[in-house]
Amino acid sequence: QKEVEQNSGPLSVPEGAIASLNCTYSDRGSQSFFWYRQYSGKSPELIMFIYSNGDKEDGRFTAQLNKASQYVSLLIRDSQPSDSATYLCAVFDQTGANNLFFGTGTRLTVIP
Amino acid sequence: EAGVAQSPRYKIIEKRQSVAFWCNPISGHATLYWYQQILGQGPKLLIQFQNNGVVDDSQLPKDRFSAERLKGVDSTLKIQPAKLEDSAVYLCASSQGYDQPQHFGDGTRLSIL
Repeated sequence: QKEVEQNSGPLSVPEGAIASLNCTYSDRGSQSFFWYRQYSGKSPELIMFIYSNGDKEDGRFTAQLNKASQYVSLLIRDSQPSDSATYLCAVFDQTGANNLFFGTGTRLTVIP
Repeated sequence: EAGVAQSPRYKIIEKRQSVAFWCNPISGHATLYWYQQILGQGPKLLIQFQNNGVVDDSQLPKDRFSAERLKGVDSTLKIQPAKLEDSAVYLCASSQGYDQPQHFGDGTRLSIL
């Protein structure tokens, strides 16, 4: 069974601060990693994906991947109250099932 | 580009009844997925289709759940008979290929009484 671990939170940050969300995964062979945002009562929305070691930036979001440490993170700069949501880390398993495994999500609250 | 369409949005049934959900993926997306998301958990894959063929249904409770995608476009997921533990949000997603980013529909929130 593939494991994707996230701190469930809640993580609270003040408006304008950097929010750091972390995720570890068990399958060393995983190659593709995705971050989804899920507002309460809504469906997951894709915000970032990363395939290579290092950083990938998109606006206020930066995904960081370290395959040696089996660790992927999402940084949100200049956090806004509208960023308050649950952030789901998903890891693509290419060694067997060819599908996504999701963590349980980290709930982020940005305090105005 | 229209997103993934799902219906109904909400469904309330009694245990042992049957229920069906419908999904229409993004146009041109060959891969379609059904997920179950229980409150406080991440989505769990139930079944994955590539065109009209099943790629993975290893986590589908086949004694009560069934799914089809007959023409390689829209899909239905059925539960018969429903149990209390089936209360969840059922999400449909689609992607251009099995390793491409998945896009989710709004989901169907199922409550079993």
